[in-house]
Formats: sequence, C-alpha cells, structure tokens
Amino acid sequence: RKEVEQDPGPFNVPEGATVAFNCTYSNSASQSFFWYRQDCRKEPKLLMSVYSSGNEDGRFTAQLNRASQYISLLIRDSKLSDSATYLCVVNTGGFKTIFGAGTRLFVKA
Amino acid sequence: NAGVTQTPKFRVLKTGQSMTLLCAQDMNHEYMYWYRQDPGMGLRLIHYSVGEGTTAKGEVPDGYNVSRLKKQNFLLGLESAAPSQTSVYFCASSYSRLRESYEQYFGPGTRLTVT
Repeated sequence: RKEVEQDPGPFNVPEGATVAFNCTYSNSASQSFFWYRQDCRKEPKLLMSVYSSGNEDGRFTAQLNRASQYISLLIRDSKLSDSATYLCVVNTGGFKTIFGAGTRLFVKA
Repeated sequence: NAGVTQTPKFRVLKTGQSMTLLCAQDMNHEYMYWYRQDPGMGLRLIHYSVGEGTTAKGEVPDGYNVSRLKKQNFLLGLESAAPSQTSVYFCASSYSRLRESYEQYFGPGTRLTVT
C-alpha cells in the first residue's frame, strides 16, 4: 500500500463546477499536511496547508480527518486557470515528506 | 528574496559525460532535497540533507552524488550520465527553526537530456 494515495483522475469539469479531491495516508503518526499545485512542466507550488479544524482560502477548502487518515481539497467555481495537477503531501516528522502521485484536473470552457 | 534557485535550467549531455546541478536557497532552511520527475510520473527523492555537511540517500540514489558544504547550497552530481537519467530535476528546501514548519519550496527545475 502506498503511503499517500490520491484519486487517479483525470478530472474533467466545466467552468463553474465544484470538484473535490481525496487523499488517504497510511502513517497515523503523520504531523503536517499540505496540498500543492503543479502546472505542466513547472515546479510544485504550495497551495495550502491543511489543519485539523479545516481551512479555507477563497474558493479552496481543505479538510483533515485524522481518525480516518483522510485529507480533502474542494475547489468551488472552477476556473480555466485551475487546470493543473494537485498533489497531496504528508510530513511524518522532520525531513520525511511523502508526495502523492497527483490528480490531474482539466477545467473546460 | 529569490527562494530556491537552480542552475542550469536546461542541459544536454552525451552518455558518459559528467555534470553538476547547483541549488541555492536564501530562506535559511535546514533541509534540502533533490527529486527527479519523469513524464507522467510523480516526484522521486534522489538524495536529501538535514544540515550542512550531512547527506543521505533517498529512493533512487544510484548514479548520483551530492554535497552540502554550505547551508544554502546543495549540489547534485552525475559522474557518468546515462540515457536513463534524462529527466526533470527539482531541488527543494524546508524547515526553518524560527517558523517550525515543514512545507517544501521548490526551485524551477533543470531539464536534462542524455543522448
């Protein structure tokens, strides 16, 4: 079993749609959680950290369920510019950070 | 504040040639990493460093060497390049003692082709 697993995708959605990405992690001792965005042929960039209480940044909402070892990212009112690969990232302490394989999102006009 | 920078951005090597990729960060981060990413695949960790003068192997270290003589720099060397090392190489850094946070920041990548 992979340490961090994501929906395989790709997700194809129309502009304005709401899309949700899910991620599960296997190490119950994991401490920090993040969502990254990676555009084609570019470096991954931090989208948002994920906190136990849930957090929101504009159209993006991230949630963490430690009991189920599950992380989610919700994008509301999708824009063409949201098309990218979204990476679920888990830090299990110190330097040890595991990146999910990513879920590709295509937003169509 | 440049964040993480990488040089060169592109390089073409012939099989058997050697080269060094340079990564520099100005965020006073303790940890630094080298990843490779092949088309349609996720990031794979090559080597990492938890501090100046220390390095360790990641998931795919064979064919690569690293050095971290200064805290802000992390060098990745290919002693004898092979076509299988054609990839995009990303450097990243993380962890500031001041902020106590572990998110990684990436450089723009080096696109390496070995013919």
